[in-house]
Amino acid sequence: GQNIDQPTEMTATEGAIVQINCTYQTSGFNGLFWYQQHAGEAPTFLSYNVLDGLEEKGRFSSFLSRSKGYSYLLLKELQMKDSASYLCAVPHSGNTPLVFGKGTRLSVIA
Amino acid sequence: GAGVSQTPSNKVTEKGKYVELRCDPISGHTALYWYRQSLGQGPEFLIYFQGTGAADDSGLPNDRFFAVRPEGSVSTLKIQRTERGDSAVYLCASSWGQEETQYFGPGTRLLVL
Repeated sequence: GQNIDQPTEMTATEGAIVQINCTYQTSGFNGLFWYQQHAGEAPTFLSYNVLDGLEEKGRFSSFLSRSKGYSYLLLKELQMKDSASYLCAVPHSGNTPLVFGKGTRLSVIA
Repeated sequence: GAGVSQTPSNKVTEKGKYVELRCDPISGHTALYWYRQSLGQGPEFLIYFQGTGAADDSGLPNDRFFAVRPEGSVSTLKIQRTERGDSAVYLCASSWGQEETQYFGPGTRLLVL
């Protein structure tokens, strides 16, 4: 089965950089997803990594190491609107339903 | 609309009642997923459709839960004899097909009194 671990809460300052880590254990690997979820809203897709390395997309980057079962989401030039939960997810045993972590609630403060 | 839509947005019911939750996926998406999210938790998988058939229903908690997608588009999640523990946000997502990015709807907030 799958097991995903990520920190429960983080706080960072506006304009700063924050790294949200995710470790996973999975019986078969078919990529890792990051979603952003504002309070009371649906998760929105941020990134998908299937190969090792860093994928950059504007202020957000995502990194994957398959050998270490590890990923992180890097947010640069933090803005107040980045305050949200960030969910790490992997597909279930090669099939497509996603298994999510509990999410990391990020608070951006002035 | 361009995104996944879900109705109702909120549903309050009494213990023991029957409820139906509806999901309209993005047009053309063949895969449709139902998840349930409790406060402070990530979404938990319930059931997945590829076309009209349920490809994987291993996440349904018990036989009070059932879902259909008769024409391969709209799906309905049905909960019989609701219990207080069923209270959660029920999220629907769709994708072009297997192994494609899933796009989520706004969810239905179910409260069982």
